[in-house]
Amino acid sequence: NAGVTQTPKFQVLKTGQSMTLQCAQDMNHEYMSWYRQDPGMGLRLIHYSVGAGITDQGEVPNGYNVSRSTTEDFPLRLLSAAPSQTSVYFCASSRGTGGTEAFFGQGTRLTVV
Amino acid sequence: DAKTTQPTSMDCAEGRAANLPCNHSTISGNEYVYWYRQIHSQGPQYIIHGLKNNETNEMASLIITEDRKSSTLILPHATLRDTAVYYCIVRVGGSSNTGKLIFGQGTTLQVKP
Repeated sequence: NAGVTQTPKFQVLKTGQSMTLQCAQDMNHEYMSWYRQDPGMGLRLIHYSVGAGITDQGEVPNGYNVSRSTTEDFPLRLLSAAPSQTSVYFCASSRGTGGTEAFFGQGTRLTVV
Repeated sequence: DAKTTQPTSMDCAEGRAANLPCNHSTISGNEYVYWYRQIHSQGPQYIIHGLKNNETNEMASLIITEDRKSSTLILPHATLRDTAVYYCIVRVGGSSNTGKLIFGQGTTLQVKP
């Protein structure tokens, strides 16, 4: 059971480049979400999804797009990378209504130069 | 979701109980108290959650005051591996649950030999 898998683990981008951070879960969880964590800070919610085809914005959605075409996958797209998006990105999943714990991936460390 | 207040940092001697407080004075009746921890910038790990009653599992105990305005996470016999940032999070449960978590700054627990 792999849980939540994030790829890549590390990435360096140039300002203005675009890329997609991948997140996949094999637990058939309905809920998935993306967070970013800046140095010395707590996690901040970027976008979340309560099921395939349904997404919504979190606390810091600007500069990011998401889609949820399948239950398993929830990719995060950076449209035009900026140095302010240098951060560690975490993906999480949990069961739907009545679910309790969220499972987190190991993170993607992104540097924008 | 209600906001929480936690001390920035705490120390604990190895083998002793670690008691981590959390204030959530604006908690609503349908909101649960969740605890997660993050070790060495890994993905956060679920510890325990509760609504009204005290809860215990293999990792920790959760004590919620009768008025539900505060709670305490107890690690009964702290080890060096319990050194981490501990997050207290309040969120709605049941059919209103969307899976999203709003993190604060957390408490950095340092377990010392």
